[in-house]
Amino acid sequence: EAQVTQNPRYLITVTGKKLTVTCSQNMNHEYMSWYRQDPGLGLRQIYYSMNVEVTDKGDVPEGYKVSRKEKRNFPLILESPSPNQTSLYFCASSLRLGQGYEQYFGPGTRLTVT
Amino acid sequence: SQKIEQNSEALNIQEGKTATLTCNYTNYSPAYLQWYRQDPGRGPVFLLLIRENEKEKRKERLKVTFDTTLKQSLFHITASQPADSATYLCALDKQGSGYSTLTFGKGTMLLVSP
Repeated sequence: EAQVTQNPRYLITVTGKKLTVTCSQNMNHEYMSWYRQDPGLGLRQIYYSMNVEVTDKGDVPEGYKVSRKEKRNFPLILESPSPNQTSLYFCASSLRLGQGYEQYFGPGTRLTVT
Repeated sequence: SQKIEQNSEALNIQEGKTATLTCNYTNYSPAYLQWYRQDPGRGPVFLLLIRENEKEKRKERLKVTFDTTLKQSLFHITASQPADSATYLCALDKQGSGYSTLTFGKGTMLLVSP
């Protein structure tokens, strides 16, 4: 089954404790992206990757890191989480950047930073 | 500045009626526009794509129009059902080149009552 998986689905952590949210897709997609979704603010892009070893900042990259060492994986790293990073996070992938290709979203990771 | 606006936070209609959702944008000239459905706590799911040179697209009970002069897209669900209750997001390519990342609206929550 074609899908985007994220782990963990739920995470409660404390300020400053480094964490990684994993994202994996099995559709051989070139493009992958991370979003956060907050009430009243909608979906905002954090980082994206056009292909292996190619990443770029989205609209709200501060406090986050990413890497794309393999085509299928695109982990999101929070080196020193803060309470304002409490949010619902989605990973997404599509065949390529732009051109109208639909994005496939993961199930989401609900992160709480206390 | 660039802005995407989706009509009212919530839209309540009766089963069997046609739901019409709007997506207005300013200071964008998108090459295409997409519509997604999102259920509570889940990732968005792609519904339809319409390109700038297309006036209308249909898929089963769904219809999307795209008026680049008015800078508006309308999303219609005919013969609506309670199962159509969800949040609907419009998204467009940020730079209008057709090859840029997506910007999402905040969404409209649709509630269909039996």
